[in-house]
Amino acid sequence: EIVLTQSPGTLSLSPGERATLSCRASQSVGSSYLAWYQLKPGQAPRLLIYGASSRATGTPDRFSGSGSGTDFTLTISRLEPEDFAVYYCQQYGSSPITFGQGTRLEIK
Amino acid sequence: QMQLVESGGGVVQPGRSLRLSCAASGFTFSTYGMHWVRQAPGKGLEWLAVIWYDGSNKYHADSVKGRFTISRDNSRNTLYLQMNSLRAEDTAVYYCAREPKAALINWYFDLWGRGSLVTVSS
Repeated sequence: EIVLTQSPGTLSLSPGERATLSCRASQSVGSSYLAWYQLKPGQAPRLLIYGASSRATGTPDRFSGSGSGTDFTLTISRLEPEDFAVYYCQQYGSSPITFGQGTRLEIK
Repeated sequence: QMQLVESGGGVVQPGRSLRLSCAASGFTFSTYGMHWVRQAPGKGLEWLAVIWYDGSNKYHADSVKGRFTISRDNSRNTLYLQMNSLRAEDTAVYYCAREPKAALINWYFDLWGRGSLVTVSS
């Protein structure tokens, strides 16, 4: 089973700043089959990125994904108030599919 | 508007059963694979089960195999999760989630419901 480790656990930033979230896999994720999701309390989770770097429909272009192999990054270029949430990475290149433990992005 | 709405959660005693439902609308449910994912309090997300668009194949995570069963009724646009022999550690918010492409299983999720809380407690 591929273990995904997200860092940092909590990221405190201000609107307008740049956010960099990391997701490291215990072994290589095949074909860059990595997705990122945004979760807010009481709301449906939202797919942001799939295939490591492809934006899902409706994802603003301030969100970008990068990486391959074992190291992946989600970058939010300029934080908007609605971006403060918890973010999860998920690998789907190997069975069983697994998620990271999440990064909480909070307002500083 | 595409939507998934879970229902059927609640408080249940250990060892008892519960069935969750997920009502789909705004898209052709019968052409998409579907999943269940859960999040225990203070924990991350855990994938539980998948079912093919036509119900021909289904797989369950080892953690719930033999206790939970995924199924669907395409005539009712509804996905189900039958949960038996519930344990305290099954306490979680349960989400249904859709595959991104019709007739394929890509193993990630482009549409989610808001979740249904299941609490297993005596």
